Amino acid sequence: GENVEQHPSTLSVQEGDSAVIKCTYSDSASNYFPWYKQELGKGPQLIIDIRSNVGEKKDQRIAVTLNKTAKHFSLHITETQPEDSAVYFCAASTGANNLFFGTGTRLTVIP
Amino acid sequence: GAVVSQHPSRVICKSGTSVKIECRSLDFQATTMFWYRQFPKKSLMLMATSNEGSKATYEQGVEKDKFLINHASLTLSTLTVTSAHPEDSSFYICSARVGGSPPDTQYFGPGTRLTVL
Repeated sequence: GENVEQHPSTLSVQEGDSAVIKCTYSDSASNYFPWYKQELGKGPQLIIDIRSNVGEKKDQRIAVTLNKTAKHFSLHITETQPEDSAVYFCAASTGANNLFFGTGTRLTVIP
Repeated sequence: GAVVSQHPSRVICKSGTSVKIECRSLDFQATTMFWYRQFPKKSLMLMATSNEGSKATYEQGVEKDKFLINHASLTLSTLTVTSAHPEDSSFYICSARVGGSPPDTQYFGPGTRLTVL
């Protein structure tokens, strides 16, 4: 089955700096890669996703890149703000039912 | 759009009792809903996949007689933890898949924290 690895597990950045979280996947059939933000005591919130027919997608301060050849995808957050502090999960899917999640990255933005 | 609600948000129960958690898709029809369990500081663990009108598909190691799932309508799925024990204490999260194109997107509910005394 699919195996998704996520790094780093924790990340601290100064407010205004950029944050990058990286994930790798093992199943070349995976074609959908969402990113979720989870705040303490809440459910994951979809923040951006990318499909395998594109290499990059951007939404304001958030961008995701995908390298299908290398089987890795990354989340980029620019101009970080304290409210960006949360746990971020990447996931991969073949388009069938299951999402395979990474282990999460706890991002702390220091004011 | 694509809002998923869960009820209750928190529940405390005594050992041996059963607890029902509801998951609703508020503004869309969800032919497939998913139930996850999350331990502190850990990732989400898929427990089962629930399709409207049919039996749920459980992941390996998840006891179907302990975690009863019902998906009676296109907007409601329920998870019942039967004869709960302290080791069942956890954060339970449901998600719903939006049908059509694209089919993969899952939207998550806010979660239910279960504490079994």
